[in-house]
Amino acid sequence: EDKVVQSPLSLVVHEGDTVTLNCSYEVTNFRSLLWYKQEKKAPTFLFMLTSSGIEKKSGRLSSILDKKELFSILNITATQTGDSAIYLCAVVSNTNAGKSTFGDGTTLTVKP
Amino acid sequence: DGGITQSPKYLFRKEGQNVTLSCEQNLNHDAMYWYRQDPGQGLRLIYYSQIVNDFQKGDIAEGYSVSREKKESFPLTVTSAQKNPTAFYLCASSSQGVGANVLTFGAGSRLTVL
Repeated sequence: EDKVVQSPLSLVVHEGDTVTLNCSYEVTNFRSLLWYKQEKKAPTFLFMLTSSGIEKKSGRLSSILDKKELFSILNITATQTGDSAIYLCAVVSNTNAGKSTFGDGTTLTVKP
Repeated sequence: DGGITQSPKYLFRKEGQNVTLSCEQNLNHDAMYWYRQDPGQGLRLIYYSQIVNDFQKGDIAEGYSVSREKKESFPLTVTSAQKNPTAFYLCASSSQGVGANVLTFGAGSRLTVL
């Protein structure tokens, strides 16, 4: 059974801080790992990672995958209150009909 | 604009009643999914469909049913057999090919059983 574990489950920081969110996984026949941001209702796509060691970057957010150690991190630098959200990590397996298995998410709160 | 529309956004149900949640997409995506989200938990897969007239159970299908008569539509029925139906329900879709991994989500339906 595929498994995704995120840590920490919740995090409170102040604006300007840098945060690192963690995602470890166990999956049969790994295809990809994805990060989503859920602010109110619908999760929105952030990054898709398929290869180890290649950093994906979008503004203040970046993510990297380690397929040997089976984990990924999501970094957010110079946090803003608008970064407050639930960050979800999901893995997709080639042997699981392309279904996504999600972790429990990290709830990030950024205080002014 | 292309996207996924879920309705209703909020729904109240008495115990013993069935309720159907609507999900419509105009993204021309082949695959559609239903997830359930409880507080402090991630998304758990209820049912998914990769093509019209075909669907498979996910990890928590008991007490739920679906249909896929049209590519655009994937309604979810929460039956009275679902023991703890109060939750936030998310519908999602994905394309085939290169973009097959990325899910596009609807805004969700929050069901409360009274």
